[in-house]
Amino acid sequence: DGGITQSPKYLFRKEGQNVTLSCEQNLNHDAMYWYRQDPGQGLRLIYYSQIVNDFQKGDIAEGYSVSREKKESFPLTVTSAQKNPTAFYLCASSKLMGPDGNIQYFGAGTRLSVL
Amino acid sequence: KQEVTQIPAALSVPEGENLVLNCSFTDSAIYNLQWFRQDPGKGLTSLLLIQSSQREQTSGRLNASLDKSSGRSTLYIAASQPGDSATYLCAVSNAGGTSYGKLTFGQGTILTVHP
Repeated sequence: DGGITQSPKYLFRKEGQNVTLSCEQNLNHDAMYWYRQDPGQGLRLIYYSQIVNDFQKGDIAEGYSVSREKKESFPLTVTSAQKNPTAFYLCASSKLMGPDGNIQYFGAGTRLSVL
Repeated sequence: KQEVTQIPAALSVPEGENLVLNCSFTDSAIYNLQWFRQDPGKGLTSLLLIQSSQREQTSGRLNASLDKSSGRSTLYIAASQPGDSATYLCAVSNAGGTSYGKLTFGQGTILTVHP
């Protein structure tokens, strides 16, 4: 099956701990994105990457880090500097180019909570 | 900075009713606009994509319109069903440069269709 896989589905973080959320896609998409969703709010962009070994900060990058060593993988690390990490995290990918290049396909999400 | 607003925040209708969800955006220089559906605790599913040069798109019982000059889009759902109950999100992509592919989301409209 083609798609985007996020893991784990639920994650708990202790104070001062870094945690990493996984995102893998087998759609051969060039671009990948990380969003944060808080209750009653839309999605806010954390980081995005249009090509391997390159990524850009989104609107709320502070306290987060990413890497893009492989086209199919875009892990997100929530660092101890992120003081309010409790949220629903969504990963997405898109072709980037072409008439449907802006259609983003989303994973099922990871719900992060603080212990 | 692009801002997207959705009205109403929540809507409850009886089954069979036709309904309209509204989306407005502040910067009319958009590349395209998308409507997404999100079921509770799940990722997003793209419903309709309207390019900036188009006025509307249709898929089954769904029709989305776009008026770039006034910064508005509407999602029309005909003959609503309980299975349509979900959160509907509007997102715009602004044209050009490294912003290509980035989406700005509204906060969503929570739709409940009761039997």
